[in-house]
Amino acid sequence: QVQLQESGPGLVKPSETLSLTCSVSGGSISSHYWSWIRQSPGKGLEWIGYMYYRGITNYSPSLKSRVTISVDTSKNQFSLKLTSVTAADTAVYYCARDKSGSGIDAFDIWGQGTMVTVSS
Amino acid sequence: SYELTQPLSVSVALGQTARITCGENNIGSKNVHWYQQKPGQAPVLVLYRDTNRPSGIPERFSGSNSGNTATLTISRVQAGDEADYYCQVWDSTTVIFGGGTKLTVL
Repeated sequence: QVQLQESGPGLVKPSETLSLTCSVSGGSISSHYWSWIRQSPGKGLEWIGYMYYRGITNYSPSLKSRVTISVDTSKNQFSLKLTSVTAADTAVYYCARDKSGSGIDAFDIWGQGTMVTVSS
Repeated sequence: SYELTQPLSVSVALGQTARITCGENNIGSKNVHWYQQKPGQAPVLVLYRDTNRPSGIPERFSGSNSGNTATLTISRVQAGDEADYYCQVWDSTTVIFGGGTKLTVL
């Protein structure tokens, strides 16, 4: 079955760029929409944005100016870049798949999450 | 802006029925999805499009959505159901999550 695995640095300095990758196994990235979702310590879930392999992207209005989500179909991976980070960006970052491939459905498969701390 | 309101906490006795609500104006016109999250784990989808259970989710989990309130109902609650529960909708092209409800099993 499809599995997702996030990877990337666990520590990022303030004002720098957070970069994470989600590797998709057991299925093709060339179907479904793929999202990034984060959760600050002790807080709720916050959707960051999604991408579709044909280059379609959609970002949360609150993060849009700092976010880029891209895809590498040859590696079956997609990536998140978040610029100009502050301590408020400290969170567990999850990648997730939409269930139906419509782009507006539930998230049925999640990665285990990766903790990113923003600190000097 | 669209916001989903959930109670911060719900407590239920073992074996009884828990109901977790998710409120917003005219939420009945949207598809509501529900996730269970246990400490240190990723969320797990337990209901999608109001009433549908993914494979592997017990029949004890059910849902409804009408008017201004969507409800996740867990029947015959077990100790293993203790977790945080989040509702989620799409508002136009943006994902909205509720603030989460901590379910405590007494």
